[in-house]
Amino acid sequence: DSGVTQTPKHLITATGQRVTLRCSPRSGDLSVYWYQQSLDQGLQFLIQYYNGEERAKGNILERFSAQQFPDLHSELNLSSLELGDSALYFCASSVAQDTQYFGPGTRLTVL
Amino acid sequence: KNEVEQSPQNLTAQEGEFITINCSYSVGISALHWLQQHPGGGIVSLFMLSSGKKKHGRLIATINIQEKHSSLHITASHPRDSAVYICAVQSGSARQLTFGSGTQLTVLP
Repeated sequence: DSGVTQTPKHLITATGQRVTLRCSPRSGDLSVYWYQQSLDQGLQFLIQYYNGEERAKGNILERFSAQQFPDLHSELNLSSLELGDSALYFCASSVAQDTQYFGPGTRLTVL
Repeated sequence: KNEVEQSPQNLTAQEGEFITINCSYSVGISALHWLQQHPGGGIVSLFMLSSGKKKHGRLIATINIQEKHSSLHITASHPRDSAVYICAVQSGSARQLTFGSGTQLTVLP
């Protein structure tokens, strides 16, 4: 158990819908990272927050957004969902920029 | 060309064999990570290294910064080592990770 929690574990929704994925980092970790793992693209970095502020952006679509709240939990919002957004979404946390601890992931299926 | 290349893509070994997975990268990095992804999907961080060698139990990771190459070794492999092993490099001002495509390891009893 990494200490990082993600909810929900599974999510099935339809094209065009909007969903929110939630991540609670390990106690004391200020950095939260979001990653997408799809069959064709592998693991890709989406976005990082550090202590409530956006630190870096990767291959994140404009339809996706994220935020980190004062209690350090983070949410990833995915809107206007397409079939190609079906993937495993991981969050990871770290104290600063060292070892990252991964959550169990949210499996999103868009029908 | 991908920034991070792993080889082999697939590896099948007999229990007890010594295993090596290789990772080459083309960018400047601040650190390299080895991750293990279990069949259920969970990802575990095995090593983070920026120079030299690290050992944890039967696992050894090495990195050669000049040659931009890292290896993950598993000694006395066991069926429970069966998983996907992923190399990731940390770079950029925010030290974000760029991932290799992974090596699927199967250890047969």
